[in-house]
Amino acid sequence: QKEVEQNSGPLSVPEGAIASLNCTYSDRGSQSFFWYRQYSGKSPELIMSIYSNGDKEDGRFTAQLNKASQYVSLLIRDSQPSDSATYLCAVRGISGGSNYKLTFGKGTLLTVNP
Amino acid sequence: SQTIHQWPATLVQPVGSPLSLECTVEGTSNPNLYWYRQAAGRGLQLLFYSVGIGQISSEVPQNLSASRPQDRQFILSSKKLLLSDSGFYLCAWRGLWSGTKLEKLFFGSGTQLSVL
Repeated sequence: QKEVEQNSGPLSVPEGAIASLNCTYSDRGSQSFFWYRQYSGKSPELIMSIYSNGDKEDGRFTAQLNKASQYVSLLIRDSQPSDSATYLCAVRGISGGSNYKLTFGKGTLLTVNP
Repeated sequence: SQTIHQWPATLVQPVGSPLSLECTVEGTSNPNLYWYRQAAGRGLQLLFYSVGIGQISSEVPQNLSASRPQDRQFILSSKKLLLSDSGFYLCAWRGLWSGTKLEKLFFGSGTQLSVL
């Protein structure tokens, strides 16, 4: 059973601070890793993807991947109240082709306080 | 551009009643389509996926079923709903991230189903 684990939170940070969200996965053969943002009552929206070890930066967001530790994280710099949402970590396993299936974690609720 | 339509947005159904949720995609052909469910306190769970008309793969045993009668139409059904079927149901399709060759899942707006 492939599993993706996240701290459920809530994680509360003050406006302007760095928010750090963590995720671990069980399938060592996983190839692709994603972070989705989900506002309450809305559908998930992809904000970051990462495929190789190291850091990937996009604006205020940085995704970090360590395949040896089976760990992926998301850093949000200069957090804004509009960043308050649930962040879902998703992992795609080793099977490719038409079997594009993502396994999601339960999500971490982030609250950014003004 | 591609769009995904999902309805209804909210549904309240009694236990034992039937269910039909519909999802349609526009602007693409032969998409891979998915049904996910997000129950309270649980992560997004893949229920079904389809790579083409009439081709359905089930991920989790349950009293739900899916059908794909047309290329861009995906339907989730149940003959008799259970309390445990309550949740947020999301349809998704696999496409390319704008301006890249990277694939991503595009989600519909979802249906909040409450079984009472």
